Amino acid sequence: EPEVTQTPSHQVTQMGQEVILRCVPISNHLYFYWYRQILGQKVEFLVSFYNNEISEKSEIFDDQFSVERPDGSNFTLKIRSTKLEDSAMYFCASSELAGGDTGELFFGEGSRLTVL
Amino acid sequence: ELKVEQNPLFLSMQEGKNYTIYCNYSTTSDRLYWYRQDPGKSLESLFVLLSNGAVKQEGRLMASLDTKARLSTLHITAAVHDLSATYFCAVDPSSNQGGSEKLVFGKGTKLTVNP
Repeated sequence: EPEVTQTPSHQVTQMGQEVILRCVPISNHLYFYWYRQILGQKVEFLVSFYNNEISEKSEIFDDQFSVERPDGSNFTLKIRSTKLEDSAMYFCASSELAGGDTGELFFGEGSRLTVL
Repeated sequence: ELKVEQNPLFLSMQEGKNYTIYCNYSTTSDRLYWYRQDPGKSLESLFVLLSNGAVKQEGRLMASLDTKARLSTLHITAAVHDLSATYFCAVDPSSNQGGSEKLVFGKGTKLTVNP
């Protein structure tokens, strides 16, 4: 069964460092997303991406965040200068756009970011 | 702003018992999703509910949606230990057809089923 894959599974970084989280969405999907979950809390929307541009972003997704689809398969989230409060599990998700689409999101296994 | 509230947030139950988890949301939506999350794991899609009155069942779990009441329920029948997990409902505030833009999640219900 097709799945969303994410790398790395866990990254530890120093405050102020740049981090890039990578995702390979399901191949025929056209909408891509990043969500995050701070330990023990609810899942929060960060950004959605369609047709090579951001379609919506949340208040969390400030100037230190960026997303990119550098090639036909990868979808990346960059955090330019990490802060302690960026420590969380970051989930990539994708959904299929088609007639009668359910809008169902398929999530990857997550990348755990720990900022020291 | 859409708010999604689940209750209870913690649920401890005995195997073989029945229980219902509730998900209320504050603005109109006709798309609601239930996800399961095991500790340290990803979100597994359980149910997609797309219309008023939708009811879906999978094994011991049954989900329903009442868009007029802005309420969804996840009913657990004859619980077993393997159902222990955190269950999230998520609502799509977008009225667009074809792909969701963002989901607003509830805080989750941590279910523990005791032998």
